[in-house]
Amino acid sequence: QSALTQPASVSGSPGQSITISCTATSGDLGDFKYISWYQYRPGRAPRLVIYDVTSRPSGVSNRFSGSKSGNTASLIISGLLIEDEGDYYCSSFTTTTTLVIFGGGTKVTVL
Amino acid sequence: QITLRESGPTLVGPTQTLTLTCTVSGLSLSTNVEGVAWIRQPPGKALEWLAIIYGDDDKRYSPSLRNRLTVTKDASENQVVLTMTNMDPVDTGTYFCAHRSWPERRFDTWGQGALVAVSS
Repeated sequence: QSALTQPASVSGSPGQSITISCTATSGDLGDFKYISWYQYRPGRAPRLVIYDVTSRPSGVSNRFSGSKSGNTASLIISGLLIEDEGDYYCSSFTTTTTLVIFGGGTKVTVL
Repeated sequence: QITLRESGPTLVGPTQTLTLTCTVSGLSLSTNVEGVAWIRQPPGKALEWLAIIYGDDDKRYSPSLRNRLTVTKDASENQVVLTMTNMDPVDTGTYFCAHRSWPERRFDTWGQGALVAVSS
Protein backbone atom coordinates (compact mmCIF):
# COMPACT_ATOMS: atom_id res chain seq x y z
CA GLN A 1 0.00 0.00 0.00
CA SER A 2 1.46 3.34 -1.04
CA ALA A 3 1.45 6.41 1.17
CA LEU A 4 2.44 10.04 0.84
CA THR A 5 3.88 11.64 3.98
CA GLN A 6 3.78 15.38 4.59
CA PRO A 7 4.77 17.49 7.59
CA ALA A 8 1.76 18.46 9.70
CA SER A 9 2.58 22.15 9.65
CA VAL A 10 4.93 24.70 8.14
CA SER A 11 5.09 28.39 8.97
CA GLY A 12 6.84 31.47 7.70
CA SER A 13 6.78 35.24 7.81
CA PRO A 14 5.37 37.40 5.02
CA GLY A 15 7.85 37.62 2.16
CA GLN A 16 9.74 34.47 3.14
CA SER A 17 9.86 31.20 1.25
CA ILE A 18 8.65 27.88 2.61
CA THR A 19 8.96 24.32 1.38
CA ILE A 20 6.45 21.52 1.93
CA SER A 21 7.74 18.01 1.38
CA CYS A 22 5.83 14.94 0.20
CA THR A 23 7.62 11.62 0.58
CA ALA A 24 6.39 8.48 -1.09
CA THR A 25 6.57 5.05 0.46
CA SER A 26 6.03 1.78 -1.33
CA GLY A 27 5.93 1.10 -4.98
CA ASP A 28 2.71 1.50 -6.91
CA LEU A 29 3.32 5.15 -7.71
CA GLY A 30 5.18 4.29 -10.87
CA ASP A 31 8.03 6.72 -11.42
CA PHE A 32 6.35 9.27 -9.18
CA LYS A 33 6.09 11.86 -11.93
CA TYR A 34 2.43 12.76 -11.65
CA ILE A 35 2.46 14.58 -8.33
CA SER A 36 -0.12 17.33 -7.89
CA TRP A 37 -0.50 19.87 -5.14
CA TYR A 38 -3.80 21.32 -3.94
CA GLN A 39 -4.47 24.35 -1.77
CA TYR A 40 -7.51 24.13 0.49
CA ARG A 41 -8.90 27.02 2.46
CA PRO A 42 -12.05 26.10 4.44
CA GLY A 43 -15.20 27.37 2.83
CA ARG A 44 -13.57 27.46 -0.59
CA ALA A 45 -13.13 24.90 -3.29
CA PRO A 46 -9.74 23.18 -3.24
CA ARG A 47 -7.46 24.61 -5.92
CA LEU A 48 -4.85 22.89 -8.05
CA VAL A 49 -1.58 24.83 -7.75
CA ILE A 50 0.98 22.40 -9.21
CA TYR A 51 0.63 19.32 -11.44
CA ASP A 52 3.04 16.82 -13.00
CA VAL A 53 5.57 17.75 -10.28
CA THR A 54 6.57 21.14 -11.70
CA SER A 55 3.79 22.50 -13.94
CA ARG A 56 1.63 25.42 -12.88
CA PRO A 57 -1.95 25.89 -14.09
CA SER A 58 -2.79 29.16 -15.74
CA GLY A 59 -3.89 31.72 -13.20
CA VAL A 60 -1.74 30.35 -10.38
CA SER A 61 0.92 32.74 -9.13
CA ASN A 62 4.51 32.02 -10.12
CA ARG A 63 5.29 32.20 -6.41
CA PHE A 64 4.21 28.54 -6.39
CA SER A 65 6.70 26.03 -7.76
CA GLY A 66 7.35 22.31 -7.51
CA SER A 67 10.32 20.00 -7.58
CA LYS A 68 11.25 16.37 -7.00
CA SER A 69 14.29 14.51 -5.74
CA GLY A 70 14.19 10.76 -5.49
CA ASN A 71 10.99 9.77 -3.73
CA THR A 72 10.34 13.23 -2.27
CA ALA A 73 8.38 15.95 -4.04
CA SER A 74 8.29 19.51 -2.77
CA LEU A 75 6.04 22.51 -3.06
CA ILE A 76 7.83 25.83 -2.67
CA ILE A 77 5.92 29.02 -1.91
CA SER A 78 8.03 32.13 -2.26
CA GLY A 79 7.20 35.68 -1.23
CA LEU A 80 4.72 34.33 1.33
CA LEU A 81 1.42 36.22 1.60
CA ILE A 82 -1.31 36.06 4.24
CA GLU A 83 -3.63 34.68 1.59
CA ASP A 84 -1.36 31.62 1.25
CA GLU A 85 -2.53 30.34 4.63
CA GLY A 86 -4.42 27.09 4.41
CA ASP A 87 -3.94 23.39 4.02
CA TYR A 88 -1.87 21.91 1.21
CA TYR A 89 -2.17 18.36 -0.05
CA CYS A 90 0.07 16.42 -2.38
CA SER A 91 -1.52 13.72 -4.48
CA SER A 92 -0.52 11.04 -6.93
CA PHE A 93 -2.22 8.66 -9.27
CA THR A 94 -1.18 5.06 -8.75
CA THR A 95 -0.64 2.17 -11.10
CA THR A 96 -3.08 -0.07 -9.25
CA THR A 97 -6.78 0.05 -8.57
CA THR A 98 -6.28 2.51 -5.72
CA LEU A 99 -6.06 5.07 -8.52
CA VAL A 100 -5.50 8.19 -6.38
CA ILE A 101 -3.85 8.80 -3.02
CA PHE A 102 -3.46 12.00 -1.04
CA GLY A 103 -0.89 13.00 1.50
CA GLY A 104 -1.92 13.79 5.05
CA GLY A 105 -1.93 17.53 4.39
CA THR A 106 0.21 20.39 5.67
CA LYS A 107 -1.16 23.42 7.45
CA VAL A 108 0.60 26.58 6.33
CA THR A 109 0.61 29.49 8.75
CA VAL A 110 1.85 32.95 7.89
CA LEU A 111 3.17 34.51 11.08
CA GLN B 1 -15.10 27.68 -17.55
CA ILE B 2 -15.93 24.46 -15.73
CA THR B 3 -17.88 24.64 -12.48
CA LEU B 4 -19.08 21.89 -10.17
CA ARG B 5 -21.60 22.11 -7.36
CA GLU B 6 -22.40 19.43 -4.79
CA SER B 7 -25.86 19.06 -3.26
CA GLY B 8 -27.51 16.67 -0.89
CA PRO B 9 -28.59 16.16 2.72
CA THR B 10 -26.62 17.72 5.53
CA LEU B 11 -27.67 15.01 8.01
CA VAL B 12 -28.16 11.28 7.58
CA GLY B 13 -28.79 8.62 10.19
CA PRO B 14 -26.54 5.65 10.92
CA THR B 15 -27.14 2.71 8.56
CA GLN B 16 -28.94 5.00 6.08
CA THR B 17 -27.89 5.60 2.49
CA LEU B 18 -26.35 8.91 1.43
CA THR B 19 -27.10 10.30 -2.02
CA LEU B 20 -25.11 13.28 -3.27
CA THR B 21 -25.42 15.05 -6.61
CA CYS B 22 -22.71 16.93 -8.48
CA THR B 23 -24.06 19.36 -11.07
CA VAL B 24 -21.48 20.23 -13.71
CA SER B 25 -21.43 23.12 -16.15
CA GLY B 26 -18.95 24.08 -18.84
CA LEU B 27 -18.36 20.55 -20.16
CA SER B 28 -20.30 17.60 -21.50
CA LEU B 29 -20.43 14.39 -19.47
CA SER B 30 -21.06 12.52 -22.71
CA THR B 31 -17.45 13.01 -23.77
CA ASN B 32 -15.39 9.98 -22.80
CA VAL B 33 -12.32 11.99 -21.85
CA GLU B 34 -14.18 13.84 -19.11
CA GLY B 35 -14.26 12.36 -15.63
CA VAL B 36 -15.90 13.44 -12.40
CA ALA B 37 -14.50 12.16 -9.14
CA TRP B 38 -15.74 12.17 -5.56
CA ILE B 39 -13.33 12.99 -2.75
CA ARG B 40 -14.09 13.49 0.94
CA GLN B 41 -12.47 15.02 4.00
CA PRO B 42 -13.46 13.94 7.51
CA PRO B 43 -13.07 16.71 10.10
CA GLY B 44 -9.40 17.24 10.92
CA LYS B 45 -8.29 14.50 8.54
CA ALA B 46 -6.85 14.22 5.07
CA LEU B 47 -8.54 14.09 1.70
CA GLU B 48 -9.65 10.63 0.58
CA TRP B 49 -10.49 9.69 -3.00
CA LEU B 50 -13.74 7.72 -3.30
CA ALA B 51 -14.75 7.13 -6.91
CA ILE B 52 -14.64 8.41 -10.49
CA ILE B 53 -16.88 8.08 -13.52
CA TYR B 54 -16.06 8.93 -17.14
CA GLY B 55 -18.17 9.94 -20.10
CA ASP B 56 -18.06 6.40 -21.51
CA ASP B 57 -19.51 5.20 -18.17
CA ASP B 58 -16.23 3.63 -17.04
CA LYS B 59 -16.18 3.69 -13.22
CA ARG B 60 -13.49 3.15 -10.62
CA TYR B 61 -13.85 2.90 -6.85
CA SER B 62 -11.62 3.11 -3.81
CA PRO B 63 -10.91 -0.52 -2.90
CA SER B 64 -11.61 0.12 0.79
CA LEU B 65 -15.13 1.48 0.11
CA ARG B 66 -16.00 -0.33 -3.11
CA ASN B 67 -18.78 -2.42 -1.58
CA ARG B 68 -20.61 0.66 -0.28
CA LEU B 69 -20.29 3.06 -3.22
CA THR B 70 -22.12 3.52 -6.48
CA VAL B 71 -21.47 6.35 -8.93
CA THR B 72 -23.75 7.11 -11.86
CA LYS B 73 -24.28 9.96 -14.27
CA ASP B 74 -27.14 11.61 -16.08
CA ALA B 75 -25.52 13.19 -19.11
CA SER B 76 -28.73 14.94 -20.16
CA GLU B 77 -28.79 16.76 -16.83
CA ASN B 78 -24.98 17.02 -16.61
CA GLN B 79 -25.10 15.47 -13.16
CA VAL B 80 -23.08 12.81 -11.36
CA VAL B 81 -24.62 11.00 -8.41
CA LEU B 82 -22.78 9.24 -5.59
CA THR B 83 -24.55 6.84 -3.28
CA MET B 84 -22.94 5.46 -0.15
CA THR B 85 -24.75 2.77 1.82
CA ASN B 86 -24.70 1.89 5.49
CA MET B 87 -23.53 5.30 6.69
CA ASP B 88 -21.62 5.52 9.96
CA PRO B 89 -20.56 8.50 12.09
CA VAL B 90 -16.99 8.04 10.81
CA ASP B 91 -18.33 8.98 7.36
CA THR B 92 -19.05 12.49 8.60
CA GLY B 93 -17.19 15.07 6.58
CA THR B 94 -17.11 17.32 3.54
CA TYR B 95 -17.72 15.61 0.22
CA PHE B 96 -16.28 17.17 -2.94
CA CYS B 97 -16.71 16.44 -6.61
CA ALA B 98 -13.83 17.28 -8.93
CA HIS B 99 -13.11 17.23 -12.67
CA ARG B 100 -10.47 15.13 -14.37
CA SER B 101 -9.77 15.40 -18.07
CA TRP B 102 -8.29 12.13 -19.35
CA PRO B 103 -5.39 11.36 -19.67
CA GLU B 104 -4.25 14.13 -17.35
CA ARG B 105 -3.46 12.90 -13.85
CA ARG B 106 -4.89 15.77 -11.88
CA PHE B 107 -8.16 17.26 -10.69
CA ASP B 108 -8.19 20.69 -12.23
CA THR B 109 -11.50 21.99 -10.88
CA TRP B 110 -13.35 21.23 -7.66
CA GLY B 111 -16.70 22.06 -6.15
CA GLN B 112 -16.92 23.84 -2.82
CA GLY B 113 -18.04 20.69 -1.07
CA ALA B 114 -21.10 19.42 0.78
CA LEU B 115 -20.94 18.94 4.52
CA VAL B 116 -22.55 15.71 5.66
CA ALA B 117 -23.05 14.68 9.28
CA VAL B 118 -23.96 11.16 10.27
CA SER B 119 -25.87 11.09 13.53
CA SER B 120 -29.02 9.75 15.09
